[in-house]
Amino acid sequence: GAVVSQHPSWVICKSGTSVKIECRSLDFQATTMFWYRQFPKQSLMLMATSNEGSKATYEQGVEKDKFLINHASLTLSTLTVTSAHPEDSSFYICSARDPISGSYEQYFGPGTRLTVT
Amino acid sequence: AQRVTQPEKLLSVFKGAPVELKCNYSYSGSPELFWYVQYSRQRLQLLLRHISRESIKGFTADLNKGETSFHLKKPFAQEEDSAMYYCALIEGGKLIFGQGTELSVKP
Repeated sequence: GAVVSQHPSWVICKSGTSVKIECRSLDFQATTMFWYRQFPKQSLMLMATSNEGSKATYEQGVEKDKFLINHASLTLSTLTVTSAHPEDSSFYICSARDPISGSYEQYFGPGTRLTVT
Repeated sequence: AQRVTQPEKLLSVFKGAPVELKCNYSYSGSPELFWYVQYSRQRLQLLLRHISRESIKGFTADLNKGETSFHLKKPFAQEEDSAMYYCALIEGGKLIFGQGTELSVKP
């Protein structure tokens, strides 16, 4: 089946610094990728939809200047958390849709644990 | 407005007992619904979708439009079924997740 990878799997950074998380579709081309945030044993909250070659679409309440998304190729989307604060500490998950499948099924990455100290 | 509701945060059953994880939705039109599962320390993965009408790992889910429900059922729970289960709905091409139910199957 389709595989999505994320890098890094975990990262610790200092308050005020920026962190980049990569999401790759390994065996298919993804025109659309999604970024979620998940708190422990809670639901996934959609942050934004990343579209290859165009600007990301952010969900209400998500600061686009803080969470920069770049989908520069059909297999890579990046999420940059700028000027990170401790409240940004969370589990960030990406997913991708395989346009050839013809379905809305999404394939999820393993997630990235971000800790801001 | 919450479009997908999973009323139980935690469901604990004994091995061999039947299990039903509840999911109710709010959607005008014909919904496309999914169940995703997240085992401990693993990524979220698709368990089943209503349009396939399939049974995966002994789980089934039937869409009931009258009750706007898509409950997940298994007649005999196994310890390896312990995981987080998320009901999800497609809206505008995006997946909308319920709050999730943690299923714990005790020996």
